[in-house]
Amino acid sequence: AQSVAQPEDQVNVAEGNPLTVKCTYSVSGNPYLFWYVQYPNRGLQFLLKYITGDNLVKGSYGFEAEFNKSQTSFHLKKPSALVSDSALYFCAVRPLNTGFQKLVFGTGTRLLVSP
Amino acid sequence: DGGITQSPKYLFRKEGQNVTLSCEQNLNHDAMYWYRQDPGQGLRLIYYSQIVNDFQKGDIAEGYSVSREKKESFPLTVTSAQKNPTAFYLCASSLAGGWENTQYFGPGTRLTVL
Repeated sequence: AQSVAQPEDQVNVAEGNPLTVKCTYSVSGNPYLFWYVQYPNRGLQFLLKYITGDNLVKGSYGFEAEFNKSQTSFHLKKPSALVSDSALYFCAVRPLNTGFQKLVFGTGTRLLVSP
Repeated sequence: DGGITQSPKYLFRKEGQNVTLSCEQNLNHDAMYWYRQDPGQGLRLIYYSQIVNDFQKGDIAEGYSVSREKKESFPLTVTSAQKNPTAFYLCASSLAGGWENTQYFGPGTRLTVL
């Protein structure tokens, strides 16, 4: 089965410290991977995606993610967290063997950045 | 939230009523999608459409219906057959035809059954 796991329901970090939000995937073949962020009662905002090439992907708002094929992971990172980064983060995967543009989402990780 | 609008923002429904959620996009995207979001469950695909006058069921289509008469519009009807319709509903759109295409989301509609 194709799936995405976000093992942490919540991540707490102090402002100014580095943050990591974890994501692992299980799909057939090479996946396309995405990160989205959701603020309360809002839609999802696209942060970044991995298609091919460099394993380190840079995205919006200073976020980056590292694709690790051997560990089937795509962790989201930021060198210095801001209080305004507090939100719900979703990892998603698009398996290449599907006939349409389906995205499989993880259950989300809530990030809380304390002042 | 870009060029995707959803209305209304909040919707209350009585048991046994059908309700229709609106989704409009001005991004000139061919593909449109409806997702349902429940706490702790991530997003689940209800229906999607890759072209006008064509749509396909997603993972949880039972109790829902859609139409795609215009490229810009993809309304979702939540019927009385949907057993547990209270949820946050998200519409998305993307270019079609490319595996790398990103889906962009609207602001969502929160439906509550009274």
